[in-house]
Amino acid sequence: DSGVTQTPKHLITATGQRVTLRCSPRSGDLSVYWYQQSLDQGLQFLIQYYNGEERAKGNILERFSAQQFPDLHSELNLSSLELGDSALYFCASSPGQNDEQYFGPGTRLTVT
Amino acid sequence: GQSLEQPSEVTAVEGAIVQINCTYQTSGFYGLSWYQQHDGGAPTFLSYNALDGLEETGRFSSFLSRSDSYGYLLLQELQMKDSASYFCAVRVDSNYQLIWGAGTKLIIKP
Repeated sequence: DSGVTQTPKHLITATGQRVTLRCSPRSGDLSVYWYQQSLDQGLQFLIQYYNGEERAKGNILERFSAQQFPDLHSELNLSSLELGDSALYFCASSPGQNDEQYFGPGTRLTVT
Repeated sequence: GQSLEQPSEVTAVEGAIVQINCTYQTSGFYGLSWYQQHDGGAPTFLSYNALDGLEETGRFSSFLSRSDSYGYLLLQELQMKDSASYFCAVRVDSNYQLIWGAGTKLIIKP
């Protein structure tokens, strides 16, 4: 158990819909990272927050957005969902001055 | 563009030694990390190399050559539980952003 929690574990929704994925980092970790992993693929970095501020952006679509709240939990919002958005979405956290990232169990999103 | 190359699949025998290579081309380089991911699970951190040379942690070792833009993960005394995907990832900036390889699936035969 990494100490990072993600909800929900599974999500099934239809094309065109909007969903919100939630992540609570390890206690004391200031950095949160979001990743997308499609079937049998590597991890695609989406976005990073540090202490509430956006720090880095990867291959994140305009239909996707994220934020980190004052209590350091983070949410990833996915809108106008397409079939190709079906994937595992991982959240990871780190203290911010550390190269080890701790991953949550992931949210498996299925778009039908 | 930025890219990391690693073999898609490696097969080895239980008790043997296996090496998983990673070559990278990135705009910045702070260090090379390795993560393990079992099917359906979350990636877990294995090692991080910022400087050239070999780092050993139990049965696992990781090597880096910055001049060759190359690193490898060495797994010794393979156990069936080591069957998993292994990802190399390069830290490219001061924000600890990682660029990931596509992963190497390690298959271990008894």
